[in-house]
Amino acid sequence: QVQLVQSGAEMKKPGTSVKVSCKASGYTFSDYYIHWVRQAPGQGLEWMGCLNPNTGGTKFAQKFQGRVTMTRDTSINTAYMELSRLTSADTAVYYCTRALNAAIVLNFDSWGQGTLATVSS
Amino acid sequence: QSVLTQPPSASGTPGQTVTISCSGSSSNIGLSTVNWYQQLPGMAPQLLIYSNNHRPSGVPDRFSGSKSGTSASLAISGLQSEDEADYYCAAWDDSLNGFYVFGTGTKVTVL
Repeated sequence: QVQLVQSGAEMKKPGTSVKVSCKASGYTFSDYYIHWVRQAPGQGLEWMGCLNPNTGGTKFAQKFQGRVTMTRDTSINTAYMELSRLTSADTAVYYCTRALNAAIVLNFDSWGQGTLATVSS
Repeated sequence: QSVLTQPPSASGTPGQTVTISCSGSSSNIGLSTVNWYQQLPGMAPQLLIYSNNHRPSGVPDRFSGSKSGTSASLAISGLQSEDEADYYCAAWDDSLNGFYVFGTGTKVTVL
């Protein structure tokens, strides 16, 4: 079955970066875009952007432009999301999810378990 | 902040029908299909409705979606205790170079 398994919880200092991994299994990794969605404590869902595992191409929400990097290692079917210049406002659970497209029609049909990143001095 | 507005809460007794609204604009719901996600407590979201009114395999037919103009709605009929969760609408927004936007979320409580 389709699975997206994320790396464990992180504790970071303000101004540093966090890198979260998302290992895919149960389907052809290159067939689906990997999207990242975050959720601050007690808050709603926020789309960050996506990665094309085929080409490495990315599309980001304007809010995160210049601060987020999305990469992949196709040899191990794993996608990565790195967020830099962290502040306390970046404390959130970060989810990876998959969709057939990069934009417009996005049906997120499988999700990772989430990775809590806490930013605190 | 989200540009898709939902009521913060909704409730009903077992067996009742609960309806959740999602209000958007011409740059999102007005030109894009709407999905609905269910998030059970402490869990990752799950796709509940896609393309306005389609259910993924395994989703009970008690859940139904609709869209009209710049608004959408989710109806849960025959409410059950396991339906107690947060529900989010979502759509593509064509502004700001394009981004995917989720609604503000609605907490459904089964009384």
